[in-house]
Amino acid sequence: DAGITQSPRHKVTETGTPVTLRCHQTENHRYMYWYRQDPGHGLRLIHYSYGVKDTDKGEVSDGYSVSRSKTEDFLLTLESATSSQTSVYFCAISQERGRGNSPLHFGNGTRLTVT
Amino acid sequence: DQQVKQNSPSLSVQEGRISILNCDYTNSMFDYFLWYKKYPAEGPTFLISISSIKDKNEDGRFTVFLNKSAKHLSLHIVPSQPGDSAVYFCAASAWNTGNQFYFGTGTSLTVIP
Repeated sequence: DAGITQSPRHKVTETGTPVTLRCHQTENHRYMYWYRQDPGHGLRLIHYSYGVKDTDKGEVSDGYSVSRSKTEDFLLTLESATSSQTSVYFCAISQERGRGNSPLHFGNGTRLTVT
Repeated sequence: DQQVKQNSPSLSVQEGRISILNCDYTNSMFDYFLWYKKYPAEGPTFLISISSIKDKNEDGRFTVFLNKSAKHLSLHIVPSQPGDSAVYFCAASAWNTGNQFYFGTGTSLTVIP
């Protein structure tokens, strides 16, 4: 298994509060990603990083920000959580981007509930 | 706009028989296709991939077929085992979408002993 740790695994928070999810990797992969999984939508990319301090938006980035200060850590922040952000969040890593010979490896997810 | 579609939310198969999971896509520029398997409370795990220059790739019990003219991808599992019961996601990427992987909505496979 790829060395990817997500924390926390579960979180319940109130609408309007800030939330930060953490992803830590031990594989020294260049690319890190945050996805959310929702029924009827599969996995959708929120943000990704292609190096320290280098990040870009995915298809559902509104309401989220990310930071990568070290190769091994990628943080996802919800500045002001809303109920629509209730979801399961997955961190993923890869050596290259979007290539079949460099698949994504996922963490075990964080289940976030916004009440 | 769902570029990758899995139209069957669920599938049940007897142990030992073949499981066929299907995936359709709309972007003709997709050049890599992957299948992932997901157990409850775990992250998806990579199963098998295929590039658009091939029409078949095999790895043990798992075979992926690509029909570019129909924009259709399928995963065959033979023989199916109870441990194969999981949700299966297909994903695709293309250089003209920034090499981002787009995922289908998943098919839940149940293999009945």
